[in-house]
Amino acid sequence: SQQGEEDPQALSIQEGENATMNCSYKTSINNLQWYRQNSGRGLVHLILIRSNEREKHSGRLRVTLDTSKKSSSLLITASRAADTASYFCATDASGGSNYKLTFGKGTLLTVNP
Amino acid sequence: GAVVSQHPSRVICKSGTSVKIECRSLDFQATTMFWYRQFPKQSLMLMATSNEGSKATYEQGVEKDKFLINHASLTLSTLTVTSAHPEDSSFYICSASALPGVQAYEQYFGPGTRLTVT
Repeated sequence: SQQGEEDPQALSIQEGENATMNCSYKTSINNLQWYRQNSGRGLVHLILIRSNEREKHSGRLRVTLDTSKKSSSLLITASRAADTASYFCATDASGGSNYKLTFGKGTLLTVNP
Repeated sequence: GAVVSQHPSRVICKSGTSVKIECRSLDFQATTMFWYRQFPKQSLMLMATSNEGSKATYEQGVEKDKFLINHASLTLSTLTVTSAHPEDSSFYICSASALPGVQAYEQYFGPGTRLTVT
């Protein structure tokens, strides 16, 4: 089953606005991570939140995790044109082969100058 | 720190030929390496996991005889696409973890290799 489904699939905002992306998953997890991918490039790790954490901040990024709802959100504040990229959440499931990352489908964020 | 490189970044090959993609951890020893595949505008799908010195573990639906993975050293893993076909055209991304087993969720990703099979 698909683990890690982001919504919206695409988001277009103006520079300076905030962008919120959501991720839902199906199984219990140890950690949830958010990555950024510029078109045709590799992944850049943004932030990791552990299953016993509820909120984490890193610069203009704020991540929340609600394990009861099996969902996470990524908020980018005061967006910039350089934030234009695809954003993926990735989970590693608890138990068994829990080191494997399962990626969501991603949200394509476009920040217009 | 924690830099992973891939070579080549782009490759075009003819149908029926084989292509080798290298993944190197430049400043750390990668106990575990992962190979992912990404089709346009889609997510990353894990193909296989390799631990140095042992056979790779392939995900369901991935042909191990077609996608040969070798993790001969702690800094190098290779993916060979054998008898490539146009449907193998994709973006292949590797990642590496310095940590074994259950801690291998801390992965560092390479920049990817764009494979086009004509």
